[in-house]
Amino acid sequence: QKEVEQNSGPLSVPEGAIASLNCTYSDRGSQSFFWYRQYSGKSPELIMSIYSNGDKEDGRFTAQLNKASQYVSLLIRDSQPSDSATYLCAVNEGYNNNDMRFGAGTRLTVKP
Amino acid sequence: NAGVTQTPKFRILKIGQSMTLQCTQDMNHNYMYWYRQDPGMGLKLIYYSVGAGITDKGEVPNGYNVSRSTTEDFPLRLELAAPSQTSVYFCASSYFDNEQFFGPGTRLTVL
Repeated sequence: QKEVEQNSGPLSVPEGAIASLNCTYSDRGSQSFFWYRQYSGKSPELIMSIYSNGDKEDGRFTAQLNKASQYVSLLIRDSQPSDSATYLCAVNEGYNNNDMRFGAGTRLTVKP
Repeated sequence: NAGVTQTPKFRILKIGQSMTLQCTQDMNHNYMYWYRQDPGMGLKLIYYSVGAGITDKGEVPNGYNVSRSTTEDFPLRLELAAPSQTSVYFCASSYFDNEQFFGPGTRLTVL
């Protein structure tokens, strides 16, 4: 069974702090990794994708991938109350899209 | 550019009834997907399609059917609705680069 695990939270950080979200996956053959943000009652919205080991930065967001440890993380710098949402980690085994697995999500609250 | 649209937004079904959830995308994406999301859970793939006329099962296909007659449309059919199918259903689409774009969802309750 291919699993994607996330700490369900809630994770609470003060405004301006760094929020660190973690995700582990069981399938060593996984090739593509994604972070989605989902506001309550809304649909998931893609915020980051990463395919190679290392860091990928986009504005206040940094995704980190370590395939040897089967670990992917998302750092949010200078956290804002508007970042309060559930963050879903998604992992895809192949280069097509028929085996995308999602974690249950981590709920983040940024307190003003 | 509307992106991915879904209808209806909400629906209540009685056990044993059938319905079709509609999904349309205007981004000319080849790939389309149907997911369900239960409370506190991640998304589970029901069916997907890599192009018109081609569909395949995902992780949880039982109780559902799909068709893909055009690039734009990917309806999901529920036959003989059961309480276990109470969920939020999301349609998504992507081109070839793995990044999926989601519709607003359909909240379905089966009583």
